[in-house]
Amino acid sequence: DGGITQSPKYLFRKEGQNVTLSCEQNLNHDAMYWYRQDPGQGLRLIYYSQIVNDFQKGDIAEGYSVSREKKESFPLTVTSAQKNPTAFYLCASSINGGRGNTIYFGEGSWLTVV
Amino acid sequence: AQSVTQLDSQVPVFEEAPVELRCNYSSSVSVYLFWYVQYPNQGLQLLLKYLSGSTLVKGINGFEAEFNKSQTSFHLRKPSVHISDTAEYFCAVTRALSGGYNKLIFGAGTRLAVHP
Repeated sequence: DGGITQSPKYLFRKEGQNVTLSCEQNLNHDAMYWYRQDPGQGLRLIYYSQIVNDFQKGDIAEGYSVSREKKESFPLTVTSAQKNPTAFYLCASSINGGRGNTIYFGEGSWLTVV
Repeated sequence: AQSVTQLDSQVPVFEEAPVELRCNYSSSVSVYLFWYVQYPNQGLQLLLKYLSGSTLVKGINGFEAEFNKSQTSFHLRKPSVHISDTAEYFCAVTRALSGGYNKLIFGAGTRLAVHP
C-alpha cells in the first residue's frame, strides 16, 4: 500500500545528542514536509522540500537539519542546538507544492529528551 | 498573513447528538481551507477541503463544512456523532511561500470528546 512511513515511533535522546528521524514515502510525491506538534499549539512547519537536493526552512528551523538526496526520503536531524526538542514530529508529503493539493501525513514520531 | 482560529479547545458531546466545530480564518486573498482529524498517537487524516465552487463541502465519515466568506468561517458539522469520532480536529488554510511553494497554517485544534 502507498503511504508515508516514519521511524522510529518512539525515540529517547540524551542532552547534547543529535538524533535522526526517518521519513520514507512511496506515493511518488515531489513535495515533503516536517511538522512539529506540541500540545495546544497545532502544527508548526520545520522544513519543506519540493524537489530532490532542494529544501527550505519553515517557521521553526533552528536546531534542525534535513536532506533530500532521494525523492522518497526526507530525514530530519534534531541537533543538540534545539533547546526544547521533546515533541511529536510529523512527516508529510503532497504531489507538489500547489495550494489545493492534499497533504498526507505519516503516523508520527515521539521524541523525548531524557 | 493568513491565520486560523479554532474557537473551542474542547467540545464534549453525547453520542448521536449533532456537533459543530468552529473555525475562523483571516486572509486578504482567496483561500483554500482544510479540516484534518487526528486520532490519538497517529498522524493527520484529511476530512474535507474547500478550493472553490459550492460552499457546502462534504467529507468522509459523515462530516461536512460550510465556507462563509462574509463571516470568514469554515465550521465543521456532523448531524450525529459516534464514540469513534472522539479525536482532535484541525482547521487549516493554505499560505503562499517564496518560490511558488505553499504550506498549511494550522489552528490549535479542537478536541472532540463523545460520551455514551
